[in-house]
Parts: sequence; structure tokens; C-alpha cells
Amino acid sequence: QQQVKQSPQSLIVQKGGISIINCAYENTAFDYFPWYQQFPGKGPALLIAIRPDVSEKKEGRFTISFNKSAKQFSLHIMDSQPGDSATYFCAASEAGNNRKLIWGLGTSLAVNP
Amino acid sequence: DAGVTQSPTHLIKTRGQHVTLRCSPISGHKSVSWYQQVLGQGPQFIFQYYEKEERGRGNFPDRFSARQFPNYSSELNVNALLLGDSALYLCASKTAGTGSNSPLHFGNGTRLTVT
Repeated sequence: QQQVKQSPQSLIVQKGGISIINCAYENTAFDYFPWYQQFPGKGPALLIAIRPDVSEKKEGRFTISFNKSAKQFSLHIMDSQPGDSATYFCAASEAGNNRKLIWGLGTSLAVNP
Repeated sequence: DAGVTQSPTHLIKTRGQHVTLRCSPISGHKSVSWYQQVLGQGPQFIFQYYEKEERGRGNFPDRFSARQFPNYSSELNVNALLLGDSALYLCASKTAGTGSNSPLHFGNGTRLTVT
């Protein structure tokens, strides 16, 4: 049973467009929601993270939107660039489980020039 | 400043063999975690160590074991390798303890292929 469900599996966006990746979770004890970016041959790198006491967090072109009642959160990449082409993972963790990260299956993003 | 370093980067083993993967955390980081990433999927939690003690274990068989040394480096050992153990093994470190949200920094992994 996938505790964190991520969609879409793959995404193609034109340069300058908006990329949107969605995640949903079941465990209401989750209280930390990071997004990771992974390039081929590299380990995941933390992009941005949010806690459920805020509904939105923005860092540069990257924004997390969080809907606690719907148990959903999403990543928006504004003005998408070819260099953003990578696999993006949402994840979640709870204090009561040693903060181990539970990951989505990933979204492969391709930004066409 | 060196990031999380893992060795070797690639490894090919035969079924039934044993493998040891090594990880050096970022200087000052005392917590090390191990994750397995199968192609096309998200990482799966294997172990977490903090201050040389196991603080968490994922749903992996006893063939998987790990330890953390006094310098906070870590080893992941896998015995009796199966074809299904083929994956990218990621090590991650962070500054604080198990309950902390301090960012998790990943190495580039060890690509293990079992034939």
C-alpha cells in the first residue's frame, strides 16, 4: 500500500511553462513534507519542504501548496527550464517513526527547449 | 566542503555472495540513514543510525545489516545476495537526531548489480 501517492508518473512541459506535480497521503501523523530532485546518476537533493501549519511556501521558481483537509500537496515549478528536467519525488515523515521518509514513486519531468 | 561520499560507485556481484557498502557523512553529521532505490521507484528506508546506535529499521530481511563507527561513517552489509537486491543504495546524513527535520543530504549512491 503506497502511503504517499504521486502523479503524474511523467510530465512534458515547454520551456517557460508551469510544471505541476501532485501528491496525496493517508497518514495524518505526517508532519513534514519535502520535495526532492534527482538527476540521473546522482542522489536526491532537497528542493523545498513544508510543514502542515502553512498552506504555501515559495523558494524562487519553486512553490509547495499544501491542503491539510484534503491531505494533498503539490509542487509548482514556474518558468520551467530545460535544466529542470529531472525526476521529482515527494516524501513525508512523522516524528513518531524516527523521521524516516516515505517516498512517492517519482515524476519524470522533461522540459522541452 | 565534502558532501556525503559513498564507495564503491558501482559493484557487480553474483547471487549468494556478500557485499559491503561504505558511507562517509558530511563532517559534523551524526545521523546516517540507508535507502534502497529500485529503478523507477522512490527510495525505500533500510536503516537509520544515530550516535552509533540503530534507531530505525525498515521492512528488509535479516540479510541486511549495518553499523556506524565512532567517526560516524557507516557500512551496509548484505548477505546471500538475490537478483532482487539489484538497486541503487543511497546513504544520507543529517546534523541532528532521529526526531529532527534537519535536511537529509544524500550521497550519489552505490549501484549494485547482482547476476
